[in-house]
Amino acid sequence: KAGVTQTPRYLIKTRGQQVTLSCSPISGHRSVSWYQQTPGQGLQFLFEYFSETQRNKGNFPGRFSGRQFSNSRSEMNVSTLELGDSALYLCASSSTGKANNEQFFGPGTRLTVL
Amino acid sequence: DQQVKQNSPSLSVQEGRISILNCDYTNSMFDYFLWYKKYPAEGPTFLISISSIKDKNEDGRFTVFLNKSAKHLSLHIVPSQPGDSAVYFCAASRTDSWGKLQFGAGTQVVVTP
Repeated sequence: KAGVTQTPRYLIKTRGQQVTLSCSPISGHRSVSWYQQTPGQGLQFLFEYFSETQRNKGNFPGRFSGRQFSNSRSEMNVSTLELGDSALYLCASSSTGKANNEQFFGPGTRLTVL
Repeated sequence: DQQVKQNSPSLSVQEGRISILNCDYTNSMFDYFLWYKKYPAEGPTFLISISSIKDKNEDGRFTVFLNKSAKHLSLHIVPSQPGDSAVYFCAASRTDSWGKLQFGAGTQVVVTP
């Protein structure tokens, strides 16, 4: 079974721009969660989608948004980029998103904001 | 507010010996705990998990212990191997919080020959 894939792997943007990151979950998994990893804050939960619906959201500003398609693929968008948005963005998939469902992570997208 | 804490940023252990990683949590609503391993430039890899109704779970060289009264869990790796050198994250989840894992800051493990 193919794992979670994320594209692109690396991205460089400038302040004020917007960016879209993509995540393809493991086949059959319907839940996709997004995380931001930074040296200062560690791994922080952004949001979770299931069947095209956002079911849960972390404490991030509205500039961070996402969506999920009918094939469970997900995208996240960051608008009006700030220097502090430089981070590794990870997506994870699980079959249901329930607490006892292990999440499987992709390799991440490294975003650098200049 | 950091609800999952890994107070040891690093651990060095000899090959063949036991590695013990510790994790504390503050939220009694957590009911599932997981350990992940992460290599540089890769996403975290799931290792082992434990439900709050259990106090021990084993999978090969990995054993996780949960002490609910102390809000403490630990991961034992026996025997440690060079390939175990990585950052280990403790994570916790709640039944009423879809798809959300709360992570500790991680412990860098170095296994020396």
